[in-house]
Amino acid sequence: DAKTTQPNSMESNEEEPVHLPCNHSTISGTDYIHWYRQLPSQGPEYVIHGLTSNVNNRMASLAIAEDRKSSTLILHRATLRDAAVYYCILKRGDAGGTSYGKLTFGQGTILTVHP
Amino acid sequence: KAGVTQTPRYLIKTRGQQVTLSCSPISGHRSVSWYQQTPGQGLQFLFEYFSETQRNKGNFPGRFSGRQFSNSRSEMNVSTLELGDSALYLCASSLWGAQYFGPGTRLLVL
Repeated sequence: DAKTTQPNSMESNEEEPVHLPCNHSTISGTDYIHWYRQLPSQGPEYVIHGLTSNVNNRMASLAIAEDRKSSTLILHRATLRDAAVYYCILKRGDAGGTSYGKLTFGQGTILTVHP
Repeated sequence: KAGVTQTPRYLIKTRGQQVTLSCSPISGHRSVSWYQQTPGQGLQFLFEYFSETQRNKGNFPGRFSGRQFSNSRSEMNVSTLELGDSALYLCASSLWGAQYFGPGTRLLVL
C-alpha cells in the first residue's frame, strides 16, 4: 500500500480555517485520497475523498495537488467539535471508478481547537 | 437512514474462550469491513466482505474469522481468546468507496 505522511499534531482557534496537509509521493494512478476523522470515544467518521479534482462537501474541502503527490483537507471554520484525529488514507480503486479494498490507517494528525 | 449497528457494545471474556461479534450495515450497503483498534497498534484492518465473499484479509492469525449473510449482515469470530485480543472492534459498511463506521464493540479479555 502506498504510504501517507501527516504532521503528528496541529492546533487551531475556533472559527478559523484549518489546513491539514498530507504527503503521498508514491501514490498510484488508481489510488483515491480519503480523509477520515475519529473523535474521542467514537468510531472513525468519513470526511471526504477524491481522485484528481478538488472536492467539496458540507464538512470540508479537499485540495489535491496537480501531481497528486500531496493533498490538503480544509475545514473552513473550525469548531470545538472538529477536535479529532484526522487520517489521510490512500485507497485502491478499480477501473469502474468504485474504490474498494481495505483502509490502512496511519497515526494521523491530532487536531486541537482552542476556544 | 439508520447507521451501522454493532452488538454487543461491551463484552468481557476470559482467555481461551471464543466470541462472536455482530454488525448490521447501512441499508443498501453490500460491503462490510472489520477493524481492530488498540492503543499500541492503532486501527488495523481485519477483513472485508462483499456479497457474502471475503474480498480482502488483513494480517491476523486464523483465530480471527468472519462471514457475511445474504442480507449483508456480518459476524466476526475470535476463537481461543488471548489477552492481546482486548480491543475495540469496529465494523464499517461502504457504498461508492466511503466507509461508514459503527460505534464498535469493546472486548476485554481477562
